[in-house]
Amino acid sequence: GAGVSQSPSNKVTEKGKDVELRCDPISGHTALYWYRQSLGQGLEFLIYFQGNSAPDKSGLPSDRFSAERTGGSVSTLTIQRTQQEDSAVYLCASSLGSWTGELFFGEGSRLTVL
Amino acid sequence: GQNIDQPTEMTATEGAIVQINCTYQTSGFNGLFWYQQHAGEAPTFLSYNVLDGLEEKGRFSSFLSRSKGYSYLLLKELQMKDSASYLCAVRVISSGSARQLTFGSGTQLTVLP
Repeated sequence: GAGVSQSPSNKVTEKGKDVELRCDPISGHTALYWYRQSLGQGLEFLIYFQGNSAPDKSGLPSDRFSAERTGGSVSTLTIQRTQQEDSAVYLCASSLGSWTGELFFGEGSRLTVL
Repeated sequence: GQNIDQPTEMTATEGAIVQINCTYQTSGFNGLFWYQQHAGEAPTFLSYNVLDGLEEKGRFSSFLSRSKGYSYLLLKELQMKDSASYLCAVRVISSGSARQLTFGSGTQLTVLP
């Protein structure tokens, strides 16, 4: 596709369940970012992948959160044992490389934990 | 860590000019970016400053002073469609060469007729 694709667009889960969110970046983009945005708030950095370098995981809020990027393309963000405070929109973005700050965002995955 | 401050809300009139300020405190500064986010939509890139001075792009201009840790976004000839949240973001170098964008909480601009 032409843009960043995320799935699912909406996810409702029960507290304690695990969830996986998927991001398919723009073809050829080597940098991939995960952010989350709570209602009316700014973007909170979670994790950043650049090429084959070790990811910058400094924004992950707890060890329940993990992410991987396979083959330098698709990324999956996994949240284990979800809590109500995990409810947010999870945004994925990609860019051509680390030198550019022009990020292209997907439409996000809205997670609701009941 | 990084600290980015911008006003929470601003209101302006259609056709007017509005300036949205952003101040930051960070180590490893490597550029400042402005993004626009309409309600319920993903952010979209507006502008980028890495050196001091003014960058102009149509009705939008962005200014940076690195020594003061200060930037502003200037919107001219405001239109109703400019009602949106404007996010200031700072790029930092961390973990060696790794680079990430840290976003402020955004300024919600309302344009009135």
